[in-house]
Amino acid sequence: GENVEQHPSTLSVQEGDSAVIKCTYSDSASNYFPWYKQELGKGPQLIIDIRSNVGEKKDQRIAVTLNKTAKHFSLHITETQPEDSAVYFCAASLNTNAGKSTFGDGTTLTVKP
Amino acid sequence: ETGVTQTPRHLVMGMTNKKSLKCEQHLGHNAMYWYKQSAKKPLELMFVYNFKEQTENNSVPSRFSPECPNSSHLFLHLHTLQPEDSALYLCASSQGGRAGGLNTEAFFGQGTRLTVV
Repeated sequence: GENVEQHPSTLSVQEGDSAVIKCTYSDSASNYFPWYKQELGKGPQLIIDIRSNVGEKKDQRIAVTLNKTAKHFSLHITETQPEDSAVYFCAASLNTNAGKSTFGDGTTLTVKP
Repeated sequence: ETGVTQTPRHLVMGMTNKKSLKCEQHLGHNAMYWYKQSAKKPLELMFVYNFKEQTENNSVPSRFSPECPNSSHLFLHLHTLQPEDSALYLCASSQGGRAGGLNTEAFFGQGTRLTVV
């Protein structure tokens, strides 16, 4: 089955700095890679996703890159703000069943004002 | 508000009790999922339903019994649970779920925080 590894487990940055979270996956059949943000007391919320037919996707301050050959993908947050503080999860799945995902362990991001 | 609603938000139950978790989605999706989120562990997929049919059971103990009466509702019936079953139980939904299905993202509910005493 699929195995997803996520690093780092905790990340602390100063407001305005960039944050990078990296994930690797093992199953070359995986072709859909979502990133979720989970705030305290809430369920995971999709913030950005990428499919295997593209190498990079950007949405305002958030970007995701995918290297299919190396089986790794990364989340980049620029100009971080205190409200970006949360737990971030990467995941890997198939396009045809986006909710059936294997998740990474999560990264707790703290943005210091 | 993600369009996926879970009730109750919090539940405390004894090991001999029987209770049910409810999930409802108003997104017109045809696939629904139960996940377990324990402290210091990644989200674990428990069950997958596509078009009301269970298509996956990830070796979940029989004390957890899912039910999907229609594409909009999903239940998780609980009985004789153990303290280690205490966790956040998350429901999610998405479109597709069959080969060649549409490519859309999954939406999660807020979860039910379950404590087994």
